[in-house]
Amino acid sequence: KQEVTQIPAALSVPEGENLVLNCSFTDSAIYNLQWFRQDPGKGLTSLLLIQSSQREQTSGRLNASLDKSSGRSTLYIAASQPGDSATYLCAVLSGGYQKVTFGTGTKLQVIP
Amino acid sequence: DGGITQSPKYLFRKEGQNVTLSCEQNLNHDAMYWYRQDPGQGLRLIYYSQIVNDFQKGDIAEGYSVSREKKESFPLTVTSAQKNPTAFYLCASAHRGPAYEQYFGPGTRLTVT
Repeated sequence: KQEVTQIPAALSVPEGENLVLNCSFTDSAIYNLQWFRQDPGKGLTSLLLIQSSQREQTSGRLNASLDKSSGRSTLYIAASQPGDSATYLCAVLSGGYQKVTFGTGTKLQVIP
Repeated sequence: DGGITQSPKYLFRKEGQNVTLSCEQNLNHDAMYWYRQDPGQGLRLIYYSQIVNDFQKGDIAEGYSVSREKKESFPLTVTSAQKNPTAFYLCASAHRGPAYEQYFGPGTRLTVT
């Protein structure tokens, strides 16, 4: 059974700092890994998707990397801003029926 | 506008009543998913469907039922057998291509008293 863990559970940083969020998974036979952002009481917004054959993806100040062999992904946020404050979730697609397993999330607060 | 709609945004029910949550997408996606989110927790998969007339149980399917009669619709019924139904319910869809990227609806907050 696929298990996905995110560390830390919460993070508070001053504005302008670069930061790294971590996601680990137990079964390396994945189809893809997707990073999401969730604002309080809202649905999820897709940030980056890394297919199993890829090592990283970039979008603006965000960079996500994937190391299947070690079962890890990182989301790097450069020059953090107060508007980046949200919960960040990673999700892994795996299995014959393309089942999705989510991590528990990292709640980020960027202090002005 | 293409996207996923969930209705209603807030739903209140008395204990013992069945309730159906709507999820519609006009993205022409094959796959659709239902998740449950409890306060301070991640998402847990309830049911998912890769094609019309076929669906699989997720990790917490007990007390829930679904149907997939049309490609664009994947309604979720919360039955009276669900012990703790109060939660935030999220629907998602994905195109079954190389990327398989999920897109989410705005969610329905269900409160059962």
